[in-house]
Amino acid sequence: EAQVTQNPRYLITVTGKKLTVTCSQNMNHEYMSWYRQDPGLGLRQIYYSMNVEVTDKGDVPEGYKVSRKEKRNFPLILESPSPNQTSLYFCASSLGTSGGVAEQFFGPGTRLTVL
Amino acid sequence: GQNIDQPTEMTATEGAIVQINCTYQTSGFNGLFWYQQHAGEAPTFLSYNVLDGLEEKGRFSSFLSRSKGYSYLLLKELQMKDSASYLCASSNQAGTALIFGKGTTLSVSS
Repeated sequence: EAQVTQNPRYLITVTGKKLTVTCSQNMNHEYMSWYRQDPGLGLRQIYYSMNVEVTDKGDVPEGYKVSRKEKRNFPLILESPSPNQTSLYFCASSLGTSGGVAEQFFGPGTRLTVL
Repeated sequence: GQNIDQPTEMTATEGAIVQINCTYQTSGFNGLFWYQQHAGEAPTFLSYNVLDGLEEKGRFSSFLSRSKGYSYLLLKELQMKDSASYLCASSNQAGTALIFGKGTTLSVSS
């Protein structure tokens, strides 16, 4: 089944404790992206990747890192999480390298709480 | 810059028709997307318009006017399961990312 998977689905952590949210897609998509979704603010892009080893900042990159060593995986790293990073996170992928011109497929989401 | 506006909330009854409007201002235009998102779930793709006019897909239709920077999503024969948030999205200038509106929460009652 074609899908985007994320792990973990739910995470409660404490300020400063490094964490990684994994994202994997099995559709051979070039483009992958991370979003956060907050009430009243909608979906905002954190980072995106147009291909292996090619990543760039989105609208809200502060406090986050990403890597794209393989085509299928795009982990999101929070080196020192803070309470303002409490949010619902979505990973997405799409065919082609231009994420703005093709349907994006979203993972199920990761609900993160930073205490 | 990019700006996408849509109403925050709408209500309707089962069997009715509802139109969700979206206005956008983008430096470069590469098409307009609509996504549906049920509470706590991932957004799912509904439609993509790149040319002016109406695209129909079952009970859902989407319209685009590029000259007016305007789109709408039309939902017919509403069902309770259509209660969800509807997100309008357009490309950034470089075409490298989607910019989403804040979403319209539609509540369908019986």
